[in-house]
Amino acid sequence: GAVVSQHPSRVICKSGTSVKIECRSLDFQATTMFWYRQFPKQSLMLMATSNEGSKATYEQGVEKDKFLINHASLTLSTLTVTSAHPEDSSFYICSARKGSPAGNQPQHFGDGTRLSIL
Amino acid sequence: AQSVTQLGSHVSVSEGALVLLRCNYSSSVPPYLFWYVQYPNQGLQLLLKYTTGATLVKGINGFEAEFKKSETSFHLTKPSAHMSDAAEYFCAVSDKTSYDKVIFGPGTSLSVIP
Repeated sequence: GAVVSQHPSRVICKSGTSVKIECRSLDFQATTMFWYRQFPKQSLMLMATSNEGSKATYEQGVEKDKFLINHASLTLSTLTVTSAHPEDSSFYICSARKGSPAGNQPQHFGDGTRLSIL
Repeated sequence: AQSVTQLGSHVSVSEGALVLLRCNYSSSVPPYLFWYVQYPNQGLQLLLKYTTGATLVKGINGFEAEFKKSETSFHLTKPSAHMSDAAEYFCAVSDKTSYDKVIFGPGTSLSVIP
């Protein structure tokens, strides 16, 4: 199997708080993990690609100082939403890929984190 | 640049009826194609994928999809819908030049009527 665990599943916090979301590959090593944001009734929007031991690659329009990504090990990547505001409320999903980059390997997804900023 | 379109943001079928979810893609090189399913408040689960070889691909839960290069399509089908199939379905494309970057379609919400 290829199991990806994401924690927490739901977060409700006050505006100005920083929130950390963890993404773990439980039964495989993931040199690359991905962070997506999904608005209601919409598709997934790639925020950044997280590479173990190096800086994340952010998509255009995503603030890297706002969404801090750390990929310190082959099984763990974290996304920290700094000084969160109501407009950051969303469903955040991580994924991980087994093997080397070649485009033909599917991504395996966590169950997502519902972030609500009051 | 790659792109994916899914015809019909919402599809309703009767239980036991054929399920057909449409996906068309554009890619300048041979594509890798995927179908994912998402249940409410959950992540995505891979149903099936096409990379090379046989163009008819069988996946989990009785789903299958056929890669038709001439039509740039990768439609998802299931002969008989179950209530448990109600979910959001996403078609996605990548290729050997894009490495990890996967482009997702806008999704199709499938409802199954008892």
